[in-house]
Amino acid sequence: EVQLVQSGAEVKKPGESLKISCQGFGYSFPSYWIGWVRQMPGKGLEWMGIVYPSDSDTRYSPSFQGQVTISADKSITTAYLQWSSLKASDTAIYYCVRLSGDGYNSYDSWGQGTLVTVSS
Amino acid sequence: QSALTQPRSVSGSPGQSVTISCTGTSSDVGAYKYVSWYQQPPGKAPKLMIYGVSERPSGVPDRFSGSKSGNTASLTISGLLAEDEADYYCCSYAGSYTWVFGGGTKVTVL
Repeated sequence: EVQLVQSGAEVKKPGESLKISCQGFGYSFPSYWIGWVRQMPGKGLEWMGIVYPSDSDTRYSPSFQGQVTISADKSITTAYLQWSSLKASDTAIYYCVRLSGDGYNSYDSWGQGTLVTVSS
Repeated sequence: QSALTQPRSVSGSPGQSVTISCTGTSSDVGAYKYVSWYQQPPGKAPKLMIYGVSERPSGVPDRFSGSKSGNTASLTISGLLAEDEADYYCCSYAGSYTWVFGGGTKVTVL
C-alpha cells in the first residue's frame, strides 16, 4: 500500500526557519514526482511545487518561487519543504502528494497534512 | 498562473444529480487532457476521484463522472448521497511540470 507520512504539527515565530518532511512507503520512491500543496485556514488548495527524487529536478509555482525550497533524499525516501524565514501568512496545512506514474498527471496519494502555525 | 474558476457552492437533494464546473484557459484546461478532481471531507486530506478528465480510480463509485469541453471541465455526481457532502477541487496540468487548482466547491446534500 502506498503511503505518504508527514512530520508533525509545528508552531513557530515569524522569522524562524522550518523544514517539514514527507516519507514515502510501499512504492519505488525515486521514480515518482512528489509535490507540495498549501491550504490556508478556511481556504482552497494551492499547488506549490514538485520534485523528482531520482535526480532532484524541481519545479515551482511562480507564486512560491523564492519563498520556499523543495528537496528530496531518495536514500531515506523523504521529501522536504523548507522556509528560511517564516511569516504569519505561512500559517496553513501543507500536504505532500505523489504524482501518478501512469502519464495522466494526477495526484493519486496524499499525506495526512502538516499544520504549520506561525505566530508571535 | 491563476486559479481555475469553480462555483463556491452547489446543493442537491439525495438521489439528485449535481454538476460542478471548472473553467480555465487555453494554457491549462483547454490544452491538456490532464484534469483531475479531488474530494475533501471536512477535516480530512483530499482524495483523488477523477483523473485524465473522465477516468475513475479503483474504488470510486460510478456515480462520479467527469467531462471537458474547451476550457471548461465538469464533475457530475449522480444519485447524490449524504456521504458526498464535501469540498471538491479540480486541478489541471499547466505545462512544464506545473499544475493549478480550482478554488473549490462546497457540495451540500439537502
